[in-house]
Order: sequence, then structure tokens, then C-alpha cells
Amino acid sequence: DAKTTQPTSMDCAEGRAANLPCNHSTISGNEYVYWYRQIHSQGPQYIIHGLKNNETNEMASLIITEDRKSSTLILPHATLRDTAVYYCIVRDFISSGSARQLTFGSGTQLTVLP
Amino acid sequence: DADVTQTPRNRITKTGKRIMLECSQTKGHDRMYWYRQDPGLGLRLIYYSFDVKDINKGEISDGYSVSRQAQAKFSLSLESAIPNQTALYFCATSDFGHGNEQYFGPGTRLTVT
Repeated sequence: DAKTTQPTSMDCAEGRAANLPCNHSTISGNEYVYWYRQIHSQGPQYIIHGLKNNETNEMASLIITEDRKSSTLILPHATLRDTAVYYCIVRDFISSGSARQLTFGSGTQLTVLP
Repeated sequence: DADVTQTPRNRITKTGKRIMLECSQTKGHDRMYWYRQDPGLGLRLIYYSFDVKDINKGEISDGYSVSRQAQAKFSLSLESAIPNQTALYFCATSDFGHGNEQYFGPGTRLTVT
């Protein structure tokens, strides 16, 4: 799996967009970018993933640069409940016959301020 | 209602006791996983199951066993609990072919004294 680099922490005002960057300069062509978050002591939560096109779902948007060496997770209107550690991971798409544990790095602690 | 549920949510037990953690899911996923999380060590995979007849060991299966009673149910047992099994335990599920999109339960905080 390609290595990822994320800022240790970020603050965001409630109601504003939270933009969380991730660098993955060694990503290979068949690797996807996945984002998870974990609110303190709760189960990790899958957010979104993408290969090279920008993706949007009900939780967030994922913007991947054209060279795929970095990406940004966007929470369009952050709320206090979005305070969590956000993890960016890069992995190839799991084939039908294999399973590997999810490995989270240090992630970014996002604090949404009232 | 939550898609992935775990019982109990908290448990304190004594060394040597047998304990079972249960996981149920309503997502209709074939694949289920058990992880433990320790401070500073991240998630570590204990066992995983691709379907009712398929059970596989993960990174740290020693001291644990599992049972896949039905597509929706996957239980984890500690036959003889020891203090270093004190941790936060998570169950997760994923759909066929989407192993990197895992959906986690709320966790069970287990303390072995």
C-alpha cells in the first residue's frame, strides 16, 4: 500500500467547509484512495473512495489531483459531530479471494469549533 | 437502527474466564471481520469470514476463536481470557468485491482483570 501523509490536526468553524488534505505521491495506477473517520472510541466509519475522478456522496466530496499524488476530503458544512480523526488510506481494490486488515496511519484530528 | 450491532458494549471479566462477543448485521454483506484496537497500535485483524462456511485467521488469532452462525452473525470467543486481551473490539462487514469498504459496529470495550 502506498504511504500517505496527513497533517496531524486541523480546526474548522462550524458551518464552514472542512478541507482535509492527503499526500500519496507513490500511489500506483491500480490503487484507490479511501477515507475513513473515527470519533473517539467509536467504530471507524467509511466515508468515500475514488480512483481518479472526483467523487461525492451524502457525507463528503473527494477531490483527487490529476497526477493522483494528492487528494482532499471536503466536508461541505462541518458540524460539531464531525469532530473526529480522519484517515486517508491508499490500497488496491480488494479482489474476491483476499482480505487484508485496514491499516490506518496517524490521521488528522479535525476539531470543529462552535 | 444500526446496521452492525455488537453485544455487550462493555464487559469486565476475570483472568481465565470464557467470554463471547457477538456481532449482528443487517447490511446483507457476506464478509465479516473481527478487529481489536489498542492505544497506539491501530486496528489489528483477528479473524475474518467470507461466508458461513469460510473462516480465516487474521494477524493475531492466537487466544481467540470465532463462529459464523449465519450470514448475519459472527461471534468472537476468548476461551480463557488474559489481561493483555483488554482492548476495544470491533466487528466489521463488507460486501463481496468491496473489501476496502468496511462498515464497523460500535465496539465492545473488554477489560480482563
